[in-house]
Amino acid sequence: AQKITQTQPGMFVQEKEAVTLDCTYDTSDQSYGLFWYKQPSSGEMIFLIYQGSYDEQNATEGRYSLNFQKARKSANLVISASQLGDSAMYFCAMRGGSNYKLTFGKGTLLTVNP
Amino acid sequence: DADVTQTPRNRITKTGKRIMLECSQTKGHDRMYWYRQDPGLGLRLIYYSFDVKDINKGEISDGYSVSRQAQAKFSLSLESAIPNQTALYFCATSETGSTGELFFGEGSRLTVL
Repeated sequence: AQKITQTQPGMFVQEKEAVTLDCTYDTSDQSYGLFWYKQPSSGEMIFLIYQGSYDEQNATEGRYSLNFQKARKSANLVISASQLGDSAMYFCAMRGGSNYKLTFGKGTLLTVNP
Repeated sequence: DADVTQTPRNRITKTGKRIMLECSQTKGHDRMYWYRQDPGLGLRLIYYSFDVKDINKGEISDGYSVSRQAQAKFSLSLESAIPNQTALYFCATSETGSTGELFFGEGSRLTVL
C-alpha cells in the first residue's frame, strides 16, 4: 500500500521569499513516481512537477523544484520567489510501480503575504 | 473547450435521490478516474477504468457505481445519495505509458441535503 503524508496543514510565506512544502511517502515499490499539484481557490487541479524514483537529478519547473531524498522517502516542493498567485492548496501524490492510480496527501494550504 | 469536461458543475439534491455525474474527454486517453475531495482529507479514489471493458474499485467505492460508455466517457452514479456524499468530485484521465500524470476536469460540486 502507498501512503503520502503532508504534515503542514497551513503555511505562510512573505512575497518574494522561498518556501518548502513537506511531503513524505511510503511504498514497497522500487519504481514509483511523485507529483505535486496546485489547487487555487477556483478549484481546478494544476499539475506542477514530477519526479521519477530513478531520476538522479531533482526535478525543476520554473520556480518549482522537487527536493527528492530517496533514503528519507521525502519529496518536498520548493517554491522560489513566492508570488501572491501562489496562494493555494498544494497536494503531493504518488504512483507506485506500474500501478497508474495516484494516491494523494491531505494537502497544505499556502498563503503568500504581501 | 476543456480537454476533460464534467457535468454538472454544481448540483444540489436531496437524500435518497439518484445522481449521475458525467465526464467526457478529448485527450484520447485510455485511463479514466473518479476522485472525491473533502476538506482536510485530500483526494480519494472512487473508481478507475483502464479501458472500456475494465472497471476497478478504488478506496471508497461503497455507495457509488460507474459506467464506461466509450473511451471518452466515464460516468459516476450515486444510486441513493446521502449527506456524507456531499463533496467536490473530480474526473481525471491519464495516458498509458506516461508518467501517470493525471489531467483533471474542473470538478463537480455536489451537495446532498
